[in-house]
Amino acid sequence: TQLLEQSPQFLSIQEGENLTVYCNSSSVFSSLQWYRQEPGEGPVLLVTVVTGGEVKKLKRLTFQFGDARKDSSLHITAAQPGDTGLYLCAGVRNTDKLIFGTGTRLQVFP
Amino acid sequence: EPEVTQTPSHQVTQMGQEVILRCVPISNHLYFYWYRQILGQKVEFLVSFYNNEISEKSEIFDDQFSVERPDGSNFTLKIRSTKLEDSAMYFCASSVLGEQFFGPGTRLTVL
Repeated sequence: TQLLEQSPQFLSIQEGENLTVYCNSSSVFSSLQWYRQEPGEGPVLLVTVVTGGEVKKLKRLTFQFGDARKDSSLHITAAQPGDTGLYLCAGVRNTDKLIFGTGTRLQVFP
Repeated sequence: EPEVTQTPSHQVTQMGQEVILRCVPISNHLYFYWYRQILGQKVEFLVSFYNNEISEKSEIFDDQFSVERPDGSNFTLKIRSTKLEDSAMYFCASSVLGEQFFGPGTRLTVL
């Protein structure tokens, strides 16, 4: 059962473009975390959202948690080649184990 | 900045052999986890550990797996008799206030 679906699965864009990655579920999460993972490395935590409707900004990255706490989005403004990587959402439900999404692989070309 | 470390970075073993993967969590963290990621697949939860005992384990974490915190700094994952399908990246994570921080992983290859 895919509890957290991310879309798109792959995204190739030019430097300077904007993009949005979606993380959707039919289940409610008590919190949701976004990670970025480079090949051969562990996921690196970007942000945690807890409250429904919450918006957090991290430089050019904007994260939003849905009002019903079932979905989240990551928006990147003016993407740069350094943003290239695998973006993962991961939710927490009743216990503290992370349930990871399917991932979005982003490639930003100069 | 404190970080989770893992050793070895790559472990190659023969099927049926025992392996121990080691992790040093961030020093003031109280909760510890193991996850794995089979090549091309999602990161999957294996086990969580708090106060010297397992808090939760997934159905992947069968009798062949065990975890231990042998001293105040190390957290280990042991696989008693490895199978081909155990080949994966294994990530250790630790947390103190709900946010989990991951180590760089150990790539386990079972031949």
